[in-house]
Formats: sequence, structure tokens, C-alpha cells
Amino acid sequence: NAGVTQTPKFRVLKTGQSMTLLCAQDMNHEYMYWYRQDPGMGLRLIHYSVGEGTTAKGEVPDGYNVSRLKKQNFLLGLESAAPSQTSVYFCASSYSSRGGNQPQHFGDGTRLSIL
Amino acid sequence: AQSVTQLGSHVSVSEGALVLLRCNYSSSVPPYLFWYVQYPNQGLQLLLKYTSAATLVKGINGFEAEFKKSETSFHLTKPSAHMSDAAEYFCAVSLAGGTSYGKLTFGQGTILTVHP
Repeated sequence: NAGVTQTPKFRVLKTGQSMTLLCAQDMNHEYMYWYRQDPGMGLRLIHYSVGEGTTAKGEVPDGYNVSRLKKQNFLLGLESAAPSQTSVYFCASSYSSRGGNQPQHFGDGTRLSIL
Repeated sequence: AQSVTQLGSHVSVSEGALVLLRCNYSSSVPPYLFWYVQYPNQGLQLLLKYTSAATLVKGINGFEAEFKKSETSFHLTKPSAHMSDAAEYFCAVSLAGGTSYGKLTFGQGTILTVHP
């Protein structure tokens, strides 16, 4: 029972490089989310998806793009990495709930450093 | 819009002592409230959630929290701390109804240290 799996776990990039973070869940969840975690700021929502083929902006979407081509996968892309994007990125998923009462299940994170 | 404030970025207790982690929220509509725990180099795990049923919510590992609407609070407690409780704890809120889609707003986190 893998739950939410994130790859890679660690990555170091140079400013201006691009990369894609992959999130995969095996719980048949409709909703998926990408957060970034920075010291003293908790987790902030970057983008989210409420179903295959749909995405929406969260609190801090600038500099990121996402895609949800398959229900089980949610990709986060950085087109031109900047040092301000150095962070720990978490993917989460949950059952569908317009009411917001379903808990989210989190991956173990991707630690990304931009030099 | 909703927001969460966790009072105290660091809390230190002795093993066996009471644990109290404070969380206050603001929300324009009835909220759902969650506590998550994060151990080093791991993701977040759900401790407990309030979804408008009983105001006193029991979670895993002996933790519980009480929803107090009049105080807009959802403080997390445990009667007796264990060394294994050392971790970072996050309070989070999502909005009930409408098109919230379960989006969470997190507090800044509280690091709990447990001394022998």
C-alpha cells in the first residue's frame, strides 16, 4: 500500500533550469494538491486538481505549472527555476468532497535546492 | 478567506507532562479543522479532524482537541508526553460547503520538544 509517492526525493538545480516533480497516488482519490513548505510559514498551496484533466491555482502559483493527464498522477513543473523556489514540496490527495471534510494524504516530500 | 494562527513556534515539555498546542482560526463560514504531525524528513500524518460532529475530538497516539466556536480555537492536548511525540505539529482549516474542494490553509507550525 504505497499511498502517495513523490519522485525525486532530492534535487539540486541551477537557476534557469527546468524540472518536473511527479506525484502518484494509488488510492483512487479525485483531488490532488501541491504545497510548498518553508520554515516558519507552514504549507502553502501552489496548485490543485479536482479531477483528471482539470487544474486550478492555489495561494502561490507563480513560477509553477501543473498537469493531471491521468487520475493517479499530478505533475508540478518549474519552467525556469529561481532561488526563491528552494523549498520542500509536498503532494497530497483526498477523496472528493465539495464540503472540504475529507483529510488529505501526504507524500514524503521533494527537497529542492536552486543554486 | 480563512486563516490559522498557532501560538508558539516552539513548545518544550518534560516526558510525562501535559502537552498543549494552541490553534486559533478565522473563517467566514463554518470550518473544518485538522491537526497534522510531521516527523523529521517525512510527510504530514493526520492526527485528528473536526467536521461539525462532536466538539471534543479524539485522535491517534492519545491526542485530542476541542472545538470552541466562541473562542475560535482548536487547541491540541495530550495528558502525558512521550519522547516519541517530538515532532512538528500543524493546525489547518478548510471551509465547509461551496467549492472549497478541501483546500487547506495551514498554521505556521509548532515544534514540540520532549525532555527526558
